[in-house]
Amino acid sequence: EVQLVESGGGLVQPGGSLRLSCAASGFTFSFYEMNWVRQAPGKGLEWVSYISSDGTTIYYADSVKGRFTISRDNAKNSLYLQMNSLRAEDTAVYYCARDKAMGGVWGKGTTVTVS
Amino acid sequence: DIQMTQSPSSLSASVGDRVTITCRASQGISNYLAWFQQKPGEAPKSLIYAASGLQSGVPSRFSGSGSGTDFTLTISSLQPEDFATYYCLQYNSYPYSFGQGTKLEIK
Repeated sequence: EVQLVESGGGLVQPGGSLRLSCAASGFTFSFYEMNWVRQAPGKGLEWVSYISSDGTTIYYADSVKGRFTISRDNAKNSLYLQMNSLRAEDTAVYYCARDKAMGGVWGKGTTVTVS
Repeated sequence: DIQMTQSPSSLSASVGDRVTITCRASQGISNYLAWFQQKPGEAPKSLIYAASGLQSGVPSRFSGSGSGTDFTLTISSLQPEDFATYYCLQYNSYPYSFGQGTKLEIK
């Protein structure tokens, strides 16, 4: 079964750090571009970051640039999001999504609360 | 950066109705436009890619059209399971951007 499972969310104080993980299974992870998308409580979707299949091309939303770092380990079939200097406005459900236009599988999300 | 303006923000309709949701880009994005459906407590689900391409497994009552700056998502005959929130996404250039969403509710 094609699947993405996020983990690493939790409660953190402002200024703190968290590292989110996204474990992929059921497909050849190294072939696919990946994205992180977040959704604040009661709000819409916000694209956060993109990484190419080989990890050499990376983009970020302005709202997280300089604070968040996306990475991947194709040998471990895993995607990561290192989040530093967290702010209250980073509180959201964070989803990983496969493919450039996120038309493939999405994870169920992991919740980050900054308070 | 490209801004995506979606309308309406909410919509009440009945089972069997035909509904149309629009999305306008602040600059031309060719056909790099996708539509997603999201139900409460669930991850988004991709419906349409490249403005008019139907994702595998998505019912044919969903269709998309448009190019450049103006796009539409049409549901030809609403079914009970279609009541959800819909988002457009431009993936022409980074940073990607979503529309603000359209909440489709039962009349």
